[in-house]
Amino acid sequence: DIQMTQSPSSLSTAVGDRLTITCRTSEDISTFLNWYQQKPGKPPKLLVFSASNLHSGVPSRFSGSGSGAVFTLTISSLQPEDFATYYCQQTYRIPHSFGQGTKLEI
Amino acid sequence: QVQLEQSETAVKRPGSSVRLSCRATGGTFTSYTFSWVRQAPGQGLEWMGRIVPILNEANYAQRFQGRLSLTADKSTSTAYMQLSSLRSDDTAVYFCARGTNVYDDLWGQGTLLTVSS
Repeated sequence: DIQMTQSPSSLSTAVGDRLTITCRTSEDISTFLNWYQQKPGKPPKLLVFSASNLHSGVPSRFSGSGSGAVFTLTISSLQPEDFATYYCQQTYRIPHSFGQGTKLEI
Repeated sequence: QVQLEQSETAVKRPGSSVRLSCRATGGTFTSYTFSWVRQAPGQGLEWMGRIVPILNEANYAQRFQGRLSLTADKSTSTAYMQLSSLRSDDTAVYFCARGTNVYDDLWGQGTLLTVSS
């Protein structure tokens, strides 16, 4: 199975901050990497697919980059509604494993 | 509006089986894959498997092989997940998600499964 390592696991932030979350995979997955946002009691929501493509309706302050085995999700200016947990997921090979999550806290 | 409607909360005894459903309202059922992802209390997301209804083909995470069965009923646009030999650590919220081979863009609200004696 492809191993996923997200960092950091949690982050204390503030409205207006710029932040970057990193996802590393145990092997080259090209750009088969997605990012999801999850709020408590809710299902995950797709933010970025194929490493750098913003899903429809997702604000432009979110961006994704990377290829191979290192990927990043950047939020350019944190808004109050962005405080959530973020997960990366690879869809290069089954099982489509997730990272352990990054929780953003105020 | 396209939605995934998941079955209600379930409570099961250890050793028993459960079948959860995920009905797609709107859209073309066979144009997509349907994945199942679970989340234990306070934990992260765990990918379990997926089914491709148009091929009637399912793939499973190794740790669930032999215990998990994914099926799809094209006539009712419903995907099913059956998990057998339930244990207490199967207690989790189970999500279904509709997507492609690349990503899942539509998720159900989740079904809480509690396994307890």
